[in-house]
Amino acid sequence: GAGVSQSPSNKVTEKGKDVELRCDPISGHTALYWYRQSLGQGLEFLIYFQGNSAPDKSGLPSDRFSAERTGGSVSTLTIQRTQQEDSAVYLCASSSILGVGYTFGSGTRLTVV
Amino acid sequence: SQELEQSPQSLIVQEGKNLTINCTSSKTLYGLYWYKQKYGEGLIFLMMLQKGGEEKSHEKITAKLDEKKQQSSLHITASQPSHAGIYLCGADKGANNLFFGTGTRLTVIP
Repeated sequence: GAGVSQSPSNKVTEKGKDVELRCDPISGHTALYWYRQSLGQGLEFLIYFQGNSAPDKSGLPSDRFSAERTGGSVSTLTIQRTQQEDSAVYLCASSSILGVGYTFGSGTRLTVV
Repeated sequence: SQELEQSPQSLIVQEGKNLTINCTSSKTLYGLYWYKQKYGEGLIFLMMLQKGGEEKSHEKITAKLDEKKQQSSLHITASQPSHAGIYLCGADKGANNLFFGTGTRLTVIP
């Protein structure tokens, strides 16, 4: 596609429920990143994929968070047993191996009530 | 760990005025990115600076990286309401892993 697409754009969920966030990167971009932006804070790196593998999972806040990427394209970020502190905007970005910039999606605003 | 500090955190200017946003690192930067964020539009890549003393311009926005590569400034000339948003500087800590400052919220009053 023309840009990085994220879905849903907004998600309200009850505490304790699982949620799945989807990211569709720019076609051909091999690198894909997940970030989280909490209210009043900067962007927090979560995880990075090169192809289908994630060399760096150190940013995932807890074992309730997991992410996968299949076919070197779409990625899903899963949060199990959501907590109120998980409420944030989750941003996905992709970059080509030859690129110098990162293209971000519009984000998914997650609210845990 | 490396930190990026942005200043000011918030800025309100009259349309037509010039303004500067600063981004300071505790360590030498090997790639400094400037982004703009508008609600619902995601982050928009503005420019990237790599060399000490480098300066780039895009329309009315100019960014510079100092010779020591620890501070970058973003300057907007003759600001317009369309410039309003949150400006984020980001740095590359290797392995294509960016980290960001907390951003500067710019409001331009018509």
